[in-house]
Amino acid sequence: GAVVSQHPSRVICKSGTSVKIECRSLDFQATTMFWYRQFPKQSLMLMATSNEGSKATYEQGVEKDKFLINHASLTLSTLTVTSAHPEDSSFYICSARGATGISNQPQHFGDGTRLSIL
Amino acid sequence: AQTVTQSQPEMSVQEAETVTLSCTYDTSENNYYLFWYKQPPSRQMILVIRQEAYKQQNATENRFSVNFQKAAKSFSLKISDSQLGDTAMYFCAFIYTGNQFYFGTGTSLTVIP
Repeated sequence: GAVVSQHPSRVICKSGTSVKIECRSLDFQATTMFWYRQFPKQSLMLMATSNEGSKATYEQGVEKDKFLINHASLTLSTLTVTSAHPEDSSFYICSARGATGISNQPQHFGDGTRLSIL
Repeated sequence: AQTVTQSQPEMSVQEAETVTLSCTYDTSENNYYLFWYKQPPSRQMILVIRQEAYKQQNATENRFSVNFQKAAKSFSLKISDSQLGDTAMYFCAFIYTGNQFYFGTGTSLTVIP
């Protein structure tokens, strides 16, 4: 089945550091990628939707200058948390949908990145 | 607007027993898809089962089955012969042509040995 690789799985860094998270589709072309944030024991909250070659669409309340998303190719999207602070600590999950995807094809999820800002 | 509601934050079941997780949703769309995802402690999102709204027949996947009531906008998940590995968070999700998933708040299921 389709595989989405997310890297790194765990990041611990100091406040003020910028952190980049990669999301790769390994065996299919992902025209659309989604970035979610999940707090402990809560649901996934969609942060932004990115389409290859175009600017990401951010959900209301998500700072686009804080969370930079790049979807430069059909197999790679990156989320950069700029000047991260402790309140940015969370679990971030990406998902990808293929070029031939229709609504009934579920998104394929990465394994997530646990970000901890000290 | 689309909403998904899971009214059971936590549930438990004895091993080998059957448990049903409830989910209701609200939408004005007619063509859509419903899913149940499992998130174990590893936090990986695992697709459990899906249902196309245009299909009247309830989906089944081995020990997992759904009771889809379109008129009532209800989509419950039944887990038969519960196993310890079923312990996880379960999320109900909805999607239509907008491509965006709408997730419920989740139900934490514990299977008791």
